Amino acid sequence: AQSVAQPEDQVNVAEGNPLTVKCTYSVSGNPYLFWYVQYPNRGLQFLLKYITGDNLVKGSYGFEAEFNKSQTSFHLKKPSALVSDSALYFCAVRGGPNDYKLSFGAGTTVTVRA
Amino acid sequence: EAQVTQNPRYLITVTGKKLTVTCSQNMNHEYMSWYRQDPGLGLRQIYYSMNVEVTDKGDVPEGYKVSRKEKRNFPLILESPSPNQTSLYFCASSSTYSNQPQHFGDGTRLSIL
Repeated sequence: AQSVAQPEDQVNVAEGNPLTVKCTYSVSGNPYLFWYVQYPNRGLQFLLKYITGDNLVKGSYGFEAEFNKSQTSFHLKKPSALVSDSALYFCAVRGGPNDYKLSFGAGTTVTVRA
Repeated sequence: EAQVTQNPRYLITVTGKKLTVTCSQNMNHEYMSWYRQDPGLGLRQIYYSMNVEVTDKGDVPEGYKVSRKEKRNFPLILESPSPNQTSLYFCASSSTYSNQPQHFGDGTRLSIL
């Protein structure tokens, strides 16, 4: 069975500082990894994905993520956080091209203080 | 505008009273899915559909039904709702290719008293 762990329920950073949201996964086969963001009273919005190729993936709003196969991790990063980045972030995984089940982590609440 | 539309957005009802949450997408997507979101548990998949008349169970299908008679619509049916189905529900769609991200609706908050 596949699973995703987001070890931190909350991440607090000051505006302008780097932001990291951690994600580790467990899946058989090559993983397809996704990050989504959820703002209050809204659905999830896609940020970025890793399918294959370069381990560093760039996405929307200045976010990037690094795939590390040996550590089974896919941490989300932003070099300089904004107050508007405050939201709930979800990591999700699929077990490759023939897997249509998307498993989500429990989510990490990011608060960026001015 | 590409979107996934859910109705209603909010519903308070009582135990045992059948309800349907509608979901419609305008992107001609083959794949559609329902999730429920509960604090500390993230999103859990209820049912998904690969195409018209093709549906399958997700992680938490008990107490729910779905149908896919048209490509654009994927309603979620609670035949006899119970309080443990109080949750925030999301519908999502994507193309068939599993490397594509899903597009989510804005959610339906259900309260079963």
